[in-house]
Amino acid sequence: AQSVSQHNHHVILSEAASLELGCNYSYGGTVNLFWYVQYPGQHLQLLLKYFSGDPLVKGIKGFEAEFIKSKFSFNLRKPSVQWSDTAEYFCAVKAPNDKIIFGKGTRLHILP
Amino acid sequence: GAVVSQHPSWVICKSGTSVKIECRSLDFQATTMFWYRQFPKQSLMLMATSNEGSKATYEQGVEKDKFLINHASLTLSTLTVTSAHPEDSSFYICSARGGAGGPGEQYFGPGTRLTVT
Repeated sequence: AQSVSQHNHHVILSEAASLELGCNYSYGGTVNLFWYVQYPGQHLQLLLKYFSGDPLVKGIKGFEAEFIKSKFSFNLRKPSVQWSDTAEYFCAVKAPNDKIIFGKGTRLHILP
Repeated sequence: GAVVSQHPSWVICKSGTSVKIECRSLDFQATTMFWYRQFPKQSLMLMATSNEGSKATYEQGVEKDKFLINHASLTLSTLTVTSAHPEDSSFYICSARGGAGGPGEQYFGPGTRLTVT
C-alpha cells in the first residue's frame, strides 16, 4: 500500500532562512505527488504538484519541489521564508484508485 | 474556478442526534468526491470515496452505517453522522475531483468542525 512519510514534524526558522521539508513515499509505479499547505484557520490549498515531465516543479509563493525517483522523495524547498509562510504542510501521493494519501504534516513556524 | 464549499462550517450537536454536512462543487462537475477526517494536529484520514449515483466506498475501520454518504448529483455529496457521540467530534473535510486541474487533482472544501456534547 502507498504511504507517505514526512520526517520533520515541527520546524522553526527565522525569516529569510532557507527551507527544505522532507517527504518520502512508498510506491513503485507511476506517481502523482502533491504538496498542500494549510494556513492557520484556513482550508487546504495546493502548493504544487508533480504528474510527469520536469522533476523540478515550481509552485505558488516561491515554493518548489524536486521529484527524485531513485530516492522516492519529493522534498519541498523555498530559498527564503517569510513570516506568512507559517502553516502546516502536507505531502501527498495519489494512489491508482485516485485516493490521495497524506503524510502526517509538518508544522512550520517562522520567527519574525 | 474549481471551488468546493461545505455547509455548515461549524456545528454543535447533542450526543445521540444526527448531523448532515454538505459538500458542493460550485463551478465544476465532480464525478467523485472524497470525505476526510482530521483530528487536531494530525493529518487527514480518508473516510470514504463517493461516486455520483453509486454507493460510497468506505475505508477500513470506518462504519458505513454511522457515516452515511450520499452523492445524488454531480455537484453535491452529503455526509450524515448518525447517532453522534463526543468521539465523533472532529474536522470533516471533503474534496472533489474534476475541473480543469488535470488527472488526479482534487479540490478541497474549507471543512466542517463538528462538536458533539
